[in-house]
Amino acid sequence: QLQLQESGPGLVKPSETLSLTCTVSGGSISSSSYYWGWIRQPPGKGLEWIGSIYYSGSTYYNPSLKSRVTISVDTSKNQFSLKLSSVTAADTAVYYCANTIIAARLEVWFDPWGQGTLVTVSS
Amino acid sequence: SYELTQPPSVSVSPGQTARITCSGDALPKQYAYWYQQKPGQAPVLVIYKDSERPSGIPERFSGSSSGTTVTLTISGVQAEDEADYYCQSADSSGTVVFGGGTKLTVL
Repeated sequence: QLQLQESGPGLVKPSETLSLTCTVSGGSISSSSYYWGWIRQPPGKGLEWIGSIYYSGSTYYNPSLKSRVTISVDTSKNQFSLKLSSVTAADTAVYYCANTIIAARLEVWFDPWGQGTLVTVSS
Repeated sequence: SYELTQPPSVSVSPGQTARITCSGDALPKQYAYWYQQKPGQAPVLVIYKDSERPSGIPERFSGSSSGTTVTLTISGVQAEDEADYYCQSADSSGTVVFGGGTKLTVL
């Protein structure tokens, strides 16, 4: 049974880069069946997809964040990572990593999710 | 940009049927997915591909689709079903989109 766990700093200064890592257990990140994704949720608000990556390194991002986002994968550690540059207070959110199932083109869903980690952007 | 529209809130009494809708122009062509999120917890997938139920999800959860609207139905609502529910789909370019969420209150 897949389990995902986010880790990283809980506080980031404005204009700096937010960096988070997701560790996958109970399965291989190199499985051909899965992509791996990041989703965020500002306090008291809804969900926003950030982007997803395949174990080969193939990525696709939310166009609204694409210029600031980099998602990478480390198959040797069974981990994938998120970097979000030039952060502002608007990037304060709970960040979730999730297993991304892509059954066919445009058939995309997330299951399971990590527990989430709150990142606050503040000086 | 593509949007999915959900009612902000739905209220039902225990044992009644709750119906939560999600509207979007592309839904006749794209599948929808539903997540349950309880306070302080991560979302959990409850319906995929409009009407499929993952293993471990109670049978009282079901999904349906008609035109530009998909519906999550919870039959015989229990107190433990009180949560936020989000629909999700993708636009024609593959961008994943979530609805704004519906707070289900069990009276």
